[in-house]
Parts: sequence; structure tokens; C-alpha cells
Amino acid sequence: GDSVTQMEGPVTLSEEAFLTINCTYTATGYPSLFWYVQYPGEGLQLLLKATKADDKGSNKGFEATYRKETTSFHLEKGSVQVSDSAVYFCALNYGQNFVFGPGTRLSVLP
Amino acid sequence: DVKVTQSSRYLVKRTGEKVFLECVQDMDHENMFWYRQDPGLGLRLIYFSYDVKMKEKGDIPEGYSVSREKKERFSLILESASTNQTSMYLCASSPPQDLNTEAFFGQGTRLTVV
Repeated sequence: GDSVTQMEGPVTLSEEAFLTINCTYTATGYPSLFWYVQYPGEGLQLLLKATKADDKGSNKGFEATYRKETTSFHLEKGSVQVSDSAVYFCALNYGQNFVFGPGTRLSVLP
Repeated sequence: DVKVTQSSRYLVKRTGEKVFLECVQDMDHENMFWYRQDPGLGLRLIYFSYDVKMKEKGDIPEGYSVSREKKERFSLILESASTNQTSMYLCASSPPQDLNTEAFFGQGTRLTVV
């Protein structure tokens, strides 16, 4: 079945460092791809999405490109802030449902 | 602003109690979902519903049931709460898949069963 794999972390970075969180997927058909962020004690919020191959989603300085040839959707940010500390989930939609990766905890130190 | 609202942020219940977790969405979405989130296990789908009075089992339905009497409300029921159901519960909703939109989540309910 459809699945999402992402690096589990935790990832610890210093402020202003470059961030990459890898995400790869397995899917039949052409799903939409998503990155969600979860701050402590909260639900998941959509960070960005891409609905077809070569689309780039972006928001709040984060970017990810839908790469069909490598079945990947890696999350990047050029300069992280302490406020970016959270858990990040890669996801895809499949049929009427959604499949989520295990989440990657990011800690950014001042 | 779109909204999914879960009735409680925190709940403490006793073993054996019947527990109701309520979720309401104001976006007229057809699809609604209940997940539980545990450390190291990510999000696991408990039940979902594509329409009023419809329900489908997810990956871990044992010990749970659901009710969807109205389009905007999806309730998760723990028939007899047990300590291994202590978890974070997340409700979500979405339009039909052909619109290629995301799932919208509530703020979560942290349930502790003692």
C-alpha cells in the first residue's frame, strides 16, 4: 500500500543553520504531498503542499519540491529560528485517506 | 477561517468508564477522521467517515466506536476505557479527494485513563 518514509530525528540545529528533512513516498497513482507542523500540545497545521510533479510548495521560508522521478518531497529552510522547533510530518493523500510519516522532531538552539 | 474543534483539550477518565470525544467542523466537509498519536508511533488511523451515518475502520479500531449523525460532527467512543488508551487523539476533516486539498486538524485531546 501507499507509504511515507521520513528521517525520524531528533534533529538539533543552531539558529540560522540550514535545514533539510528527507521524505520519500510509495504510491500508486499521483497523490498530493503535504508537510504538516505540530507545535507542542497542539494539533497538526498544514505547512505547505504540492499537488503534481515538479510543483514547489512554500510557506514561512520553508520549501519542498514534488519529485516524481525520485518519489521525494524533502523539506528545506535556509535559516531556521528557535520558533521553528516543532515536529514535522510528511504526508500524502491516497483515495479518500491520508498517510503520514512518523514525524521528525526539530530543536533549534539559540 | 476554517475550523475543526475538539470538545476538550485534556481529559482524565477512570478505567472502565465510557468516554466520548467530540469533534465538530464548520467547513461542510464530507470526510472526517480520528487518529491517535503516540510517541514513536506517529499518527494511527482509528476510524473515518465519508458521509453522514457512514463509518469505516482504520488501522486500530479495537476498543473504539464512532458516530456520525450529522455532517459536521464525528464522535469517538471508548466503550470501556483502559490505560492503554491513554494518548493524544486528533480529529481531522477534508473535502473529497478529487479536490486535492489537505486534511484540517483540531487542536487535539490529551486523554489520560487512570
